Amino acid sequence: SAVISQKPSRDICQRGTSLTIQCQVDSQVTMMFWYRQQPGQSLTLIATANQGSEATYESGFVIDKFPISRPNLTFSTLTVSNMSPEDSSIYLCSVGLGGVNEQFFGPGTRLTVL
Amino acid sequence: AQRVTQPEKLLSVFKGAPVELKCNYSYSGSPELFWYVQYSRQRLQLLLRHISRESIKGFTADLNKGETSFHLKKPFAQEEDSAMYYCALTSASGSRLTFGEGTQLTVNP
Repeated sequence: SAVISQKPSRDICQRGTSLTIQCQVDSQVTMMFWYRQQPGQSLTLIATANQGSEATYESGFVIDKFPISRPNLTFSTLTVSNMSPEDSSIYLCSVGLGGVNEQFFGPGTRLTVL
Repeated sequence: AQRVTQPEKLLSVFKGAPVELKCNYSYSGSPELFWYVQYSRQRLQLLLRHISRESIKGFTADLNKGETSFHLKKPFAQEEDSAMYYCALTSASGSRLTFGEGTQLTVNP
C-alpha cells in the first residue's frame, strides 16, 4: 500500500488566481494521477503524471489550465490556473502500484473559488 | 470508450437486510472492475476487485461479462456499511480508472 498526503486540505480562492496542490507519497511510485470531483458528481481523471515524462491529459483538460509537475518518484503538483467558480471541486491525487492496477488515493483538496 | 453506470444514486436499507449495489459497464476488451468506498470524512479506498474474487467486510462482487455487470452484494447489511460506493473500471493492461457516478448507501437501524 501507499500513504498519500495532500496540501492544502482546503482553500478558498478568488477568481483569476491560481492554486498549486501538492501530493506527497511515502514510497517511490511510477504512476500518479490527478482527479477532479465536482460537487455531487463522480471522479473524473484530469491527467496521468509519470516521472520522467510529460503529463498525459484527458479530453477536456489542458496543460495551460492544469499544469502538472512530477519532479521525482514521491511528489507531484497540480496547479489550477486562472480560477473561476466552476473550478470549485475536490481535487485528488492517487498512485498506482507497479504490477497491479489498484490505486491509492490522497485525502483530497477542497477548493472553493469565489 | 469505457463507461461505468451506477443506476442508483441513493439506496436505503434496514440493518440485517440484503443489499445490492448495481454496476454496469461498457468496454470493448477485457476490463478490470473495482469497487471503491468512501466512508464519511474518510478518503476513497479500495473495497474489492474482481480479479481477487474475495469477500471484504462481507461484500462480494461477481463479474458477469454476458450482462456486463459487476454488482456489489452483501447478505446482511450493517449500519457501518453506510457510505458512498463507486464502481470503477480499467483496462487489463492500463491503469486509467473510469468511475461510475456513485451510490450513497444508507443502512438504517
